Amino acid sequence: GQNIDQPTEMTATEGAIVQINCTYQTSGFNGLFWYQQHAGEAPTFLSYNVLDGLEEKGRFSSFLSRSKGYSYLLLKELQMKDSASYLCADLEAYKYIFGTGTRLKVLA
Amino acid sequence: EAGVAQSPRYKIIEKRQSVAFWCNPISGHATLYWYQQILGQGPKLLIQFQNNGVVDDSQLPKDRFSAERLKGVDSTLKIQPAKLEDSAVYLCASSLGTGPTGELFFGEGSRLTVL
Repeated sequence: GQNIDQPTEMTATEGAIVQINCTYQTSGFNGLFWYQQHAGEAPTFLSYNVLDGLEEKGRFSSFLSRSKGYSYLLLKELQMKDSASYLCADLEAYKYIFGTGTRLKVLA
Repeated sequence: EAGVAQSPRYKIIEKRQSVAFWCNPISGHATLYWYQQILGQGPKLLIQFQNNGVVDDSQLPKDRFSAERLKGVDSTLKIQPAKLEDSAVYLCASSLGTGPTGELFFGEGSRLTVL
């Protein structure tokens, strides 16, 4: 089966740290992607994890635990421009399955 | 490097009319995807092509939706006849492959409103 769960909305303050969680259940796993989508725009790639552990890319980090079917995206030193939807996507065999996305609002 | 091109950006039609969307992927990308994104939801895969062959179209409503990718480059997605629930953004994406090189590159999308 295919099921990806993410929180619908989160709010955080400029300069803070926020963690967006994603859980997935798939029958064949080939990696976990995070995409950022600003309102009215197309998704853009943020990160990819296929092995357990943390991948760091500047202010953004992504973590994966395959045994727990769990990932998170960590955003540090939040900026107003980080207000967007964050989509978790599971690559099952050749097929990407997207979650509904988490809308993050960054407040001044 | 040019990105994924899509047209039209916006289209408004009445129910039961037809519409076609066009996509030109990044040069050299063998895999092309059409996604439907309804407001407030994540993208839902409609069809996936590898070169000019269909890899997956299990969620394509085939009674009204059709897609082709002639010559393995650009692609068209058609809806005929349209229903109110087809109002959405239709996103085209391409990728070099799957796995570590499988990052999806999305076009700006075609926003369809069905009245």
